[in-house]
Amino acid sequence: EPEVTQTPSHQVTQMGQEVILRCVPISNHLYFYWYRQILGQKVEFLVSFYNNEISEKSEIFDDQFSVERPDGSNFTLKIRSTKLEDSAMYFCASGDNEQFFGPGTRLTVL
Amino acid sequence: AQSVTQPDIHITVSEGASLELRCNYSYGATPYLFWYVQSPGQGLQLLLKYFSGDTLVQGIKGFEAEFKRSQSSFNLRKPSVHWSDAAEYFCAVVPFKAAGNKLTFGGGTRVLVKP
Repeated sequence: EPEVTQTPSHQVTQMGQEVILRCVPISNHLYFYWYRQILGQKVEFLVSFYNNEISEKSEIFDDQFSVERPDGSNFTLKIRSTKLEDSAMYFCASGDNEQFFGPGTRLTVL
Repeated sequence: AQSVTQPDIHITVSEGASLELRCNYSYGATPYLFWYVQSPGQGLQLLLKYFSGDTLVQGIKGFEAEFKRSQSSFNLRKPSVHWSDAAEYFCAVVPFKAAGNKLTFGGGTRVLVKP
């Protein structure tokens, strides 16, 4: 059964560093998403992506964040200059009316 | 304000007992409705969904949910829980029914299963 994959599973970085989180969505899906979950809090929408452009973004998704589909399979989330408060689990999802989630990347900013 | 509410933060249930998790939404029109489960350290797995039609939907792992328009609710149930059902459960909606729209999640309910 096809699934969404994410790498790495855990990323530790220093404050101010750039990180790139990677996702491989399910191959025939057209819509891709990033969500995050700060420890102990609810899952929050960050951004959705369709036809090689952002279709919607939340207020969390400021200029420090960017997304890209660099090739036919990968979908990446870049945080340019990480802050302590960016520490969270980041989930990639793909799908149309129904969204399938990857296992997540736990980002720890020190 | 538009929102998804899961009133119970924690629920403890004995193995073999029934389970019901509550979810209420406040949107003008009926959204698409979902329940996801998150086991410790894992991602989000879709249990079931409601788009339209029969208001009682069956999902995986023996779960079902009932949509009640009059109560703006979509409660999740399981007749007999197993120890492996210990997890966090999230209700989620797509408020505007169209492909590619974001999910809005409730705060989650953590289920503990006693032997």
